[in-house]
Amino acid sequence: EAAVTQSPRNKVTVTGGNVTLSCRQTNSHNYMYWYRQDTGHGLRLIHYSYGAGNLQIGDVPDGYKATRTTQEDFFLLLELASPSQTSLYFCASSDGTVSNERLFFGHGTKLSVL
Amino acid sequence: GDSVTQMQGQVTLSEDDFLFINCTYSTTWYPTLFWYVQYPGEGPQLLLKVTTANNKGISRGFEATYDKGTTSFHLQKASVQESDSAVYYCVLGERSNMGYKLTFGTGTSLLVDP
Repeated sequence: EAAVTQSPRNKVTVTGGNVTLSCRQTNSHNYMYWYRQDTGHGLRLIHYSYGAGNLQIGDVPDGYKATRTTQEDFFLLLELASPSQTSLYFCASSDGTVSNERLFFGHGTKLSVL
Repeated sequence: GDSVTQMQGQVTLSEDDFLFINCTYSTTWYPTLFWYVQYPGEGPQLLLKVTTANNKGISRGFEATYDKGTTSFHLQKASVQESDSAVYYCVLGERSNMGYKLTFGTGTSLLVDP
């Protein structure tokens, strides 16, 4: 079973604070994704990447940066956190090939911006 | 861009009731359609993939089909159990020159009373 590990599991910060969410996958998957989950909106894609050094913009990228430093590691950065970014964040990985499109998710990071 | 609409926000059933959830989608690409399920405290996980029009995807007693003419896809189960209580997402896969990404619906929260 594919493994995706997110850290921290919970984070509280203040408005204007600087936050980094981490994600590591150990399955040699090409693709990694950051989603946010909010009531009434489901999961919305923030950024994604198909390899080290690559970054693609998702559907709700404003206020977020991301960096894929290695095949395994994908980070989400909030440089000036705002209360609207209070959410549950999920990282996922996928091989992304036609025969193997399944996404594997981590357990999520709950972020509160006060 | 691609979009998927999931109108049923919450469904409450009794055990052995019939379940039917539907979604509509919009895409300029050939669609790849999925259903994901999320249990409390976990990330979403793949339930099944709908492969081609008029071909069912089947998993754990759930069946999924899609109708290319009406651009809709459906999830059904003949007899739900309390353990099926979860959030169900319809998901649209898009493959483009920017890579591979999945767009989630807003989710249907299923509660099955024993």
